[in-house]
Amino acid sequence: GQNIDQPTEMTATEGAIVQINCTYQTSGFNGLFWYQQHAGEAPTFLSYNVLDGLEEKGRFSSFLSRSKGYSYLLLKELQMKDSASYLCAVKDSNYQLIWGAGTKLIIKP
Amino acid sequence: ETGVTQTPRHLVMGMTNKKSLKCEQHLGHNAMYWYKQSAKKPLELMFVYSLEERVENNSVPSRFSPECPNSSHLFLHLHTLQPEDSALYLCASSQDPGSGANGYTFGSGTRLTVV
Repeated sequence: GQNIDQPTEMTATEGAIVQINCTYQTSGFNGLFWYQQHAGEAPTFLSYNVLDGLEEKGRFSSFLSRSKGYSYLLLKELQMKDSASYLCAVKDSNYQLIWGAGTKLIIKP
Repeated sequence: ETGVTQTPRHLVMGMTNKKSLKCEQHLGHNAMYWYKQSAKKPLELMFVYSLEERVENNSVPSRFSPECPNSSHLFLHLHTLQPEDSALYLCASSQDPGSGANGYTFGSGTRLTVV
């Protein structure tokens, strides 16, 4: 079966750095997405990786290793507004998105 | 405002009621989706429409009935639901079902409670 694993919850301190990991086993691979979802709001697109390596976008970076079935989302200079759930999703060989259960990130002052 | 609008935001209904969820997008996207989001579970794809034709139905119970009258509107008709159907129902759209780097645009969802 297809599976996306990510930690259920993480806690970090304002101003610090946090890395949220995602491992996947899917039938084929056509890209990996990270979304941010604040409580009661829509998931919003953060990043897309289809080739190995690091994609940097401001305070957020996303890394992919296809051979290891692994990705991480790196958040720098954490702010209180970064408290949210972070969803990892992989597009499989049928171009369907397979979702992880999300990682709830709690930022403390 | 994400470009995808869902109404209502909250809905409480009895198990014998009939209600409908509405989704609207004006992004020019050709594909629309219904997802179910339950606490601590992955998003569950329910239905996919491409150019107003249903292309995917992930074995969803018949008490959920989708309707896509045009490429901008999507409905989810609900009847005789069960308490376990209580969840956040998210609508999303994309340029096409095999959308590339931009992924999906989601609405804010309808929080459904079945009593």
